[in-house]
Amino acid sequence: GENVEQHPSTLSVQEGDSAVIKCTYSDSASNYFPWYKQELGKGPQLIIDIRSNVGEKKDQRIAVTLNKTAKHFSLHITETQPEDSAVYFCAASRTGANNLFFGTGTRLTVIP
Amino acid sequence: NAGVTQTPKFQVLKTGQSMTLQCAQDMNHEYMSWYRQDPGMGLRLIHYSVGAGITDQGEVPNGYNVSRSTTEDFPLRLLSAAPSQTSVYFCASSYGFVRDSPLHFGNGTRLTVT
Repeated sequence: GENVEQHPSTLSVQEGDSAVIKCTYSDSASNYFPWYKQELGKGPQLIIDIRSNVGEKKDQRIAVTLNKTAKHFSLHITETQPEDSAVYFCAASRTGANNLFFGTGTRLTVIP
Repeated sequence: NAGVTQTPKFQVLKTGQSMTLQCAQDMNHEYMSWYRQDPGMGLRLIHYSVGAGITDQGEVPNGYNVSRSTTEDFPLRLLSAAPSQTSVYFCASSYGFVRDSPLHFGNGTRLTVT
């Protein structure tokens, strides 16, 4: 099956700085890569996703990049705010699959 | 809309006891699933269902049982709880295949087995 690795496990940034979280995957058939944000006491919530036919996708302050050759994808958050503090999970899946394979999570802390 | 509702929020069991974690969704989603979240291991799929009457195993199905008698409900049963089942359990639903429609998660059930 798919194996998704995520780094770093913890990340602290000053408010206003950028944060980058990186993931690698093992299954070359994977073609869908979502990112989820989990706030304390809540379930994960989808914040952005990318499919393998594009290399980059942006939504306001967040962006995701994908390198299919190297099998890695990254989440970029610019102009970080305290409300960005949460645990972020990357995941991978493929066409016709019924499950997501998740990374181990990154706890992001934005220091005011 | 309530989305995905899980009950209870917290539960403590003794080894060998049984219980059912409840999950209900009001979005008319065909696909429902159960994940467990453990420190340093992310979320792992336990069981899933692609529609009423249809269930299948995920990555870590041992010790768990599911059924899907209605579109709305997808309960997870622990037949004989073990300390290794101490975890946070999340139910999730989506309209179709996970690649084509986002997963909506409930707020979780924190289970402790002593």
